[in-house]
Amino acid sequence: QTVVTQEPSLTVSPGGTVTLTCASSTGAVTSAYYPNWFQQKPGQAPRTLIYTTSNKHSWTPARFSGSLLGGKAALTLSGVQPEDEADYYCLLYYGGAWVFGGGTKLTVL
Amino acid sequence: QVQLVQSGAEMKKPGASVKVSCEASGYTFTNYYVHWVRQAPGQGLEWMGLSRPSSPIPNIAQKFQGRVTMTRDTSTSTIYMELSSLRSEDTAVYYCAREYFGGNFDYWGQGTLVTVSS
Repeated sequence: QTVVTQEPSLTVSPGGTVTLTCASSTGAVTSAYYPNWFQQKPGQAPRTLIYTTSNKHSWTPARFSGSLLGGKAALTLSGVQPEDEADYYCLLYYGGAWVFGGGTKLTVL
Repeated sequence: QVQLVQSGAEMKKPGASVKVSCEASGYTFTNYYVHWVRQAPGQGLEWMGLSRPSSPIPNIAQKFQGRVTMTRDTSTSTIYMELSSLRSEDTAVYYCAREYFGGNFDYWGQGTLVTVSS
């Protein structure tokens, strides 16, 4: 069974920078896994921030960026704002099936 | 504008089935995949499967094979997900989400709460 692993929780100060990662139990994550990143706030549907590793939607704030880092997919927030406090999920593609990571609870403190 | 509008909350008894709809508007229906994702209370997101515009055969996650059916009605731009043999662990919010071919996820439905209780 494929497992996608994210940090369960991270804390960052307002204005700071934080990187969330997304690892695959099958090995290094590459662009062929089409990594997507989603933000979810309490009581809301998820919102797509990043698709296919590093591409942003028109609604994605410029402070969010996606990349591949050390064999993992990564989401970096630069200049964190209080409204960035949320759960973040990555999603990876495995040849016909998709698997979510367990999510990272980001606290801005 | 692009919208995915889901059907309302459902309450079902164990063993029953539930059918959730996702009505698409604002785009060419046949140009996108639609995925189904669920989230149990206090838990993370779980991918259930996807419906392709060009094929009546969906991709269903192994965990749900045999219990999930996904269909689409192109005349009404609506995608349906039916989950059978419901148990309490199926209590969750069910979401539909759109993907442009090649891993480009963008819009999500508002979610449908399904409660399974005797």
